[in-house]
Amino acid sequence: EPEVTQTPSHQVTQMGQEVILRCVPISNHLYFYWYRQILGQKVEFLVSFYNNEISEKSEIFDDQFSVERPDGSNFTLKIRSTKLEDSAMYFCASKIGVLENTGELFFGEGSRLTVL
Amino acid sequence: GNSVTQMEGPVTLSEEAFLTINCTYTATGYPSLFWYVQYPGEGLQLLLKATKADDKGSNKGFEATYRKETTSFHLEKGSVQVSDSAVYFCALSEHYGGSQGNLIFGKGTKLSVKP
Repeated sequence: EPEVTQTPSHQVTQMGQEVILRCVPISNHLYFYWYRQILGQKVEFLVSFYNNEISEKSEIFDDQFSVERPDGSNFTLKIRSTKLEDSAMYFCASKIGVLENTGELFFGEGSRLTVL
Repeated sequence: GNSVTQMEGPVTLSEEAFLTINCTYTATGYPSLFWYVQYPGEGLQLLLKATKADDKGSNKGFEATYRKETTSFHLEKGSVQVSDSAVYFCALSEHYGGSQGNLIFGKGTKLSVKP
């Protein structure tokens, strides 16, 4: 069964360092997302991506964050200069497209980021 | 704005007990409603969904009915098993004004089922 895969599963970094989280969405999906969940809090929308550009982003997604689809398969989230409060589980998700307009997303297992 | 509120956990039940996890929502349009489940060490998986009022979503013995009059989507299961131990997330997705229907999640409810 097709699935969304994420790497790394866990990354520990020092405050101020750059981090790149990687995702491989399901191959025929057209919409891609990043969500995050700070420990004990809600799963929060960060950004959605379609047709090689950001389509929506939340207030959380400030200038420290960027997303990219560098080739036909990977979808990356970059945090330029990490802060302690960026420690969270980051989930990648994908959706097939507008014909499947029920909002059903397929999620990866998450990448846990710990900023020290 | 749109939001989802679900009951605080953790919830601890004995095997074969009845489960209810409450979920209510606030939305300006006509959302689709979802329950996602996260088993230990895994990602979020769609458990069930309902796309319009009075629809009932069901899967793996779980059910939830979309109640527009009470803005609720409570999750129920008649007889839980140890393997149901997981975190359950209620979510909504709204499509209007060009929105792609990004999911808005509740905080999650952790369920532990004891043998």
